[in-house]
Amino acid sequence: AQKVTQAQTEISVVEKEDVTLDCVYETRDTTYYLFWYKQPPSGELVFLIRRNSFDEQNEISGRYSWNFQKSTSSFNFTITASQVVDSAVYFCALSSPNRGGADGLTFGKGTHLIIQP
Amino acid sequence: DAGVIQSPRHEVTEMGQEVTLRCKPISGHNSLFWYRQTMMRGLELLIYFNNNVPIDDSGMPEDRFSAKMPNASFSTLKIQPSEPRDSAVYFCASSLTGTEKLLFGSGTQLSVL
Repeated sequence: AQKVTQAQTEISVVEKEDVTLDCVYETRDTTYYLFWYKQPPSGELVFLIRRNSFDEQNEISGRYSWNFQKSTSSFNFTITASQVVDSAVYFCALSSPNRGGADGLTFGKGTHLIIQP
Repeated sequence: DAGVIQSPRHEVTEMGQEVTLRCKPISGHNSLFWYRQTMMRGLELLIYFNNNVPIDDSGMPEDRFSAKMPNASFSTLKIQPSEPRDSAVYFCASSLTGTEKLLFGSGTQLSVL
């Protein structure tokens, strides 16, 4: 069975601090995809990144960076120089095309990130 | 390009009533998903369509829930009869294929009294 664990329920930091959100996944599949989504207070789910299991290169997009390590089954997300607008719930998710023929994302429980001014 | 469109944004109904949620996926997307979000259970996949065909409905809670996709541009999720425990935010999402990024609609906040 697939599983995504986000152990940090809530994180609170002061603006401009760096913060890392942890994500650990479980799957028996060799081909899979990892995602991060942001859910701001307005409630919509905003796509941030998708990585496939064969690409372990870290990715940077502005203040956001992602560290994918297959050896530890982790796909962590770091925000550098955090801003108040980064306050949201962040979800890590996993998808596998081999999962019983069904696709779709298995989500973690989310990490509520609070950036204090 | 318009995103995934869901209606209504909010729905308040009484227990026992029929509720129909609607979704228009992004044009050209072949996969459509219905998710439910609650505080207790987080985001749960209810059902998934590929090319308008239901592929996996194992996440549908019970027979009171049904979903249809009569064409590539429209899907419905129906709850009949509704119960207070169905209160949640229901999201529709679409993607080019099942493993591409899912783009979500704004959700329908359902309250069953």
